[in-house]
Amino acid sequence: DSGVTQTPKHLITATGQRVTLRCSPRSGDLSVYWYQQSLDQGLQFLIQYYNGEERAKGNILERFSAQQFPDLHSELNLSSLELGDSALYFCASSVGLAGAPGELFFGEGSRLTVL
Amino acid sequence: AQSVAQPEDQVNVAEGNPLTVKCTYSVSGNPYLFWYVQYPNRGLQFLLKYITGDNLVKGSYGFEAEFNKSQTSFHLKKPSALVSDSALYFCAVRDLLNTGFQKLVFGTGTRLLVSP
Repeated sequence: DSGVTQTPKHLITATGQRVTLRCSPRSGDLSVYWYQQSLDQGLQFLIQYYNGEERAKGNILERFSAQQFPDLHSELNLSSLELGDSALYFCASSVGLAGAPGELFFGEGSRLTVL
Repeated sequence: AQSVAQPEDQVNVAEGNPLTVKCTYSVSGNPYLFWYVQYPNRGLQFLLKYITGDNLVKGSYGFEAEFNKSQTSFHLKKPSALVSDSALYFCAVRDLLNTGFQKLVFGTGTRLLVSP
């Protein structure tokens, strides 16, 4: 158990809909990362937050957004969903000190299926 | 940009035999390298990392990795494979961002199949 909690584990929805994925980081971790894992794209970095502020953006679509709340949990919002958004979405956390090469601890993921 | 390559989509090995999963890297500056394992329908689990120091890094579940600067490689190894080692293995490299924070850039993954 990594200590990172993601909900829901599975989600099935229709095209055009909006969903919210939730992540609670490990106790004490200030950084949260979101990754997307799909068969054709592999593991793609989406976005990172540190102590409530966005710190890095990767290959995140404009239809997607995220935020980190004062209690450090994070939400990833996916809107106007398309079939190609079907994937496993991972949240990871780390202590997140700038420059510190620490490992990331991953949650079990949220599997999104868009029909 | 920092990147890693995993040249093999799949590695097959018999139980009890040594295993190697290959990874090469391309970085500017000092490489900070990681190995993760993903079991079916699970998240990624950290195995080991190389930051500095000894070129042979020991990690979880009997795995180790050898850092080779001249060959820009960071291969994952285990002396004796178990059927339960069958999983998807990812190599990753730290990418230090201009904000001073980091992200990990992952390879495409290598599926390891250990046969009884």
